[in-house]
Amino acid sequence: AQSVAQPEDQVNVAEGNPLTVKCTYSVSGNPYLFWYVQYPNRGLQFLLKYITGDNLVKGSYGFEAEFNKSQTSFHLKKPSALVSDSALYFCAVRDNDYKLSFGAGTTVTVRA
Amino acid sequence: GAGVSQSPRYKVAKRGQDVALRCDPISGHVSLFWYQQALGQGPEFLTYFQNEAQLDKSGLPSDRFFAERPEGSVSTLKIQRTQQEDSAVYLCASSGRQGAHGNEQFFGPGTRLTVL
Repeated sequence: AQSVAQPEDQVNVAEGNPLTVKCTYSVSGNPYLFWYVQYPNRGLQFLLKYITGDNLVKGSYGFEAEFNKSQTSFHLKKPSALVSDSALYFCAVRDNDYKLSFGAGTTVTVRA
Repeated sequence: GAGVSQSPRYKVAKRGQDVALRCDPISGHVSLFWYQQALGQGPEFLTYFQNEAQLDKSGLPSDRFFAERPEGSVSTLKIQRTQQEDSAVYLCASSGRQGAHGNEQFFGPGTRLTVL
């Protein structure tokens, strides 16, 4: 069975400060890891993914994520947050199956 | 743009009514997924199609839920005799290459179903 944990329900940061959204995962095989963002009344938008290769993955809108196999983590980061980054963020994992398993989500609020 | 579209965007049903939710995937995408997202939670897998074949329906919560994709493109999720616990956002997603585990799924805007 595969699962994802997002330990923080909410993250609050000031604009211009670094943003980190935490994610840990559990899979039986090789992990395929994804981050999605959801704005109100909209579907999930893909941000980035880790399949293999470099542990630091760069994605859309200046986001990046670091895969850490020993800690089974895939934290999402942005060096300088914008007010427009305020949204709901989901981490997801897939092993050799096709199903995505999502975390419960983390609400990010960036204050001006 | 030519993304995943879903209709209706909002649906209010009285308990006991049947509803049908439509998904138009990205043209040419082989794989199609349905997810259910309850309020304050992450999406939960319902069912998976590869072209017209429904390969996995293990996430469907009861036999009142039925999905089809007869021509391998548009899909319909049908819920019979709706119950209040069926209230949720139903998300459709599609992805491109068959068997490519690393492919990201592209999501539609969802249908928000409210059962009164």
